[in-house]
Amino acid sequence: GNSVTQMEGPVTLSEEAFLTINCTYTATGYPSLFWYVQYPGEGLQLLLKATKADDKGSNKGFEATYRKETTSFHLEKGSVQVSDSAVYFCALRTSQGGSEKLVFGKGTKLTVNP
Amino acid sequence: DAGVIQSPRHEVTEMGQEVTLRCKPISGHNSLFWYRQTMMRGLELLIYFNNNVPIDDSGMPEDRFSAKMPNASFSTLKIQPSEPRDSAVYFCASSLGTTGSYGYTFGSGTRLTVV
Repeated sequence: GNSVTQMEGPVTLSEEAFLTINCTYTATGYPSLFWYVQYPGEGLQLLLKATKADDKGSNKGFEATYRKETTSFHLEKGSVQVSDSAVYFCALRTSQGGSEKLVFGKGTKLTVNP
Repeated sequence: DAGVIQSPRHEVTEMGQEVTLRCKPISGHNSLFWYRQTMMRGLELLIYFNNNVPIDDSGMPEDRFSAKMPNASFSTLKIQPSEPRDSAVYFCASSLGTTGSYGYTFGSGTRLTVV
């Protein structure tokens, strides 16, 4: 079945450090890939997405490239801020037999210290 | 745009009681999803609707759970009777389309505690 594996957290960084959160997936067909962010006490927000191989999604300084050959969609940011502290979820979406599903990874908690 | 609106934000109830969670999707969105989030199991899709019709309820844990969408602007998730293991944050999300390129917009969630 379809699944997403992302790096275990928590991740703790200092402000302005480089961030990478790894995400790999298993899926039939050609899924769309997403990163969502969840701030404390809030719902998930779409951060960025990519719908086909080699696409790069970007938003708020975050980037992720859809790598079909390595089935990966790693999230990166060159210089994190305290306000980036949140839980980050990698997800994929396919349509199987007319039943679409957004499948999430378990989430990676990021804490950025000043 | 007010976003996806869920109510209540918090609910504390005693075991055996009926609980009803409510969701108002974004106007014009034709797909609606109910998720449950716990530390142990992460995010789980419970059920989703397309054009008010339930499409996939394979994630509904058992018959104690039921969901309805009587119109395009309202959905409920009911648990009867509730049990302590149902304690979780329940999210509703809506989406404009059914193809893979559309993301979801999530509500702020309902934190349910069953004591």
